[in-house]
Amino acid sequence: GAVVSQHPSWVICKSGTSVKIECRSLDFQATTMFWYRQFPKQSLMLMATSNEGSKATYEQGVEKDKFLINHASLTLSTLTVTSAHPEDSSFYICSARADTPGDTNYGYTFGSGTRLTVV
Amino acid sequence: AQKITQTQPGMFVQEKEAVTLDCTYDTSDQSYGLFWYKQPSSGEMIFLIYQGSYDEQNATEGRYSLNFQKARKSANLVISASQLGDSAMYFCAMREGRNTGNQFYFGTGTSLTVIP
Repeated sequence: GAVVSQHPSWVICKSGTSVKIECRSLDFQATTMFWYRQFPKQSLMLMATSNEGSKATYEQGVEKDKFLINHASLTLSTLTVTSAHPEDSSFYICSARADTPGDTNYGYTFGSGTRLTVV
Repeated sequence: AQKITQTQPGMFVQEKEAVTLDCTYDTSDQSYGLFWYKQPSSGEMIFLIYQGSYDEQNATEGRYSLNFQKARKSANLVISASQLGDSAMYFCAMREGRNTGNQFYFGTGTSLTVIP
């Protein structure tokens, strides 16, 4: 079935540094990828939608310059948290849509998530 | 208005018993999809079951079944014969429209604890 690999699974970084999170579709082409943020004991909040080869669409309230999304190929999307601060500490998870709607999970597959801690 | 409402922040169930997790949704689209995901403490989102708005029969996947009541706009998840490994967060989600590129709307989740 469709698999999305997300790395790293956890990262600790110093305040002011940047962190890159990768989301890679292993056995399918992902036209669209979604990036979510989840605070402890809360739901997933959509941050942005990225389409291969075009600029990402950010949800209201999400800083584009802070959360840089690049979807340069059909199998890779990256989220870079720039100049991270402790309030950016959260669980980040991606979801990829397969090109073929008949794929498993009805076109959506989630990565395993990245737990970011900024100290 | 909330697109997805899960009114049970936490639920407890005895091992081997059945449990129902509630979910109601709000949409004016005729075509939509309803999903349930399980999120263990590790954080991954595990797809459990899907119900299309035009599906006449309730979806079933092993011990999971979806009680779909379209007129009431509810899509409750039923877990039969609960196991200790079922302890996790459960999220109901909806995708509006036919385009699988449309975004998901998630509920706030229900924390299920299975008691031995």
